[in-house]
Amino acid sequence: EPEVTQTPSHQVTQMGQEVILRCVPISNHLYFYWYRQILGQKVEFLVSFYNNEISEKSEIFDDQFSVERPDGSNFTLKIRSTKLEDSAMYFCAGPKDRYTDTQYFGPGTRLTVL
Amino acid sequence: ELKVEQNPLFLSMQEGKNYTIYCNYSTTSDRLYWYRQDPGKSLESLFVLLSNGAVKQEGRLMASLDTKARLSTLHITAAVHDLSATYFCAVDKLETSGSRLTFGEGTQLTVNP
Repeated sequence: EPEVTQTPSHQVTQMGQEVILRCVPISNHLYFYWYRQILGQKVEFLVSFYNNEISEKSEIFDDQFSVERPDGSNFTLKIRSTKLEDSAMYFCAGPKDRYTDTQYFGPGTRLTVL
Repeated sequence: ELKVEQNPLFLSMQEGKNYTIYCNYSTTSDRLYWYRQDPGKSLESLFVLLSNGAVKQEGRLMASLDTKARLSTLHITAAVHDLSATYFCAVDKLETSGSRLTFGEGTQLTVNP
């Protein structure tokens, strides 16, 4: 069964550095989502991406964050200048196929900011 | 603002016992989801409940939805150790911009032999 893939699985960076997290969703559905989960806490919505544009973003998704779909398949989340509090698991999610809206989550990228 | 509350947050139970996890949400939503998360892993979709009175079962887990009470339950029957995980409920509202999920705090379930 096709899966959402994310790279890297673990990223360690210094505070103030830029990081790019990558995702390849299952299908060519138009909606994709990014969520984050700080260790031991609940999953929080970051941003939704529809038809190559941001459709909704949370208060967490400030000017330091951006999303792109650079080549029609990959889907990236960029953090321009990382802070210690950005340390978390970052998940991308998307529908499995055009017939269902259930969001299937990728394996996640663990971001550690030192 | 849509809020989702789960209880209990921590649940330790013996194998073979039954128990229920509760999920309350604050405003009308379109769909109610249950996910399972093992430590250090991603979220695995368990159930999607779409309408009032919906009931779904998979193995020892059964989920139900009461939209009037804004309540969903996840019932565990004859628990086994393999069910140990964190269980999240989440709700969404269908908008033209998609359907962002709002999650509860999660219930950390430990099943003891």
